[in-house]
Amino acid sequence: GAGVSQSPSNKVTEKGKDVELRCDPISGHTALYWYRQRLGQGLEFLIYFQGNSAPDKSGLPSDRFSAERTGESVSTLTIQRTQQEDSAVYLCASSFLQGATGELFFGEGSRLTVL
Amino acid sequence: QQQVKQSPQSLIVQKGGIPIINCAYENTAFDYFPWYQQFPGKGPALLIAIRPDVSEKKEGRFTISFNKSAKQFSLHIMDSQPGDSATYFCAASMGTSGSRLTFGEGTQLTVNP
Repeated sequence: GAGVSQSPSNKVTEKGKDVELRCDPISGHTALYWYRQRLGQGLEFLIYFQGNSAPDKSGLPSDRFSAERTGESVSTLTIQRTQQEDSAVYLCASSFLQGATGELFFGEGSRLTVL
Repeated sequence: QQQVKQSPQSLIVQKGGIPIINCAYENTAFDYFPWYQQFPGKGPALLIAIRPDVSEKKEGRFTISFNKSAKQFSLHIMDSQPGDSATYFCAASMGTSGSRLTFGEGTQLTVNP
């Protein structure tokens, strides 16, 4: 498919375990975002990768959260020692950045449930 | 300064009504204002966007009104339909520098038949 792909679509884990969420952006998109959406709530910014620039990590809620991106391709969001309050849908979006903010294309999200 | 405040949190209208969703921002450097639409179980999708050189933009039944002096912008949905029932998010960024989008809290719209 040509859209943003996220995996897993659903993840249930036990408190204290580590989880990895993966995002495959649209090919050629230079910008990639991670957002968190708790049930019935808005989009909470986590991290933003913009081309070769240093990522904007200002939204990461704690040092348990980290993200990496390999070049302009796949990104992985890692949550260590998960807590119940980490339960949410984690949304990834990519954008073709040509000197200006463009349309964000979102994946369908990874729903994380921490028991 | 990065916040975008959105209201109302939820909105119910009858079919054919004109729901209006409002957003306000503080950062005068913002120059790109999109609206996203999200259906349950899906990621948000771009609906319409405006830049501050115009005061209004229409695309089909959707209109953005922009008031630069008041630092406010709003979404109007003409002749609303049950299929418009979704969550709507406004957002803002310093678009010309490629900065990240900051989203509002969202408005859950229900259009009754």
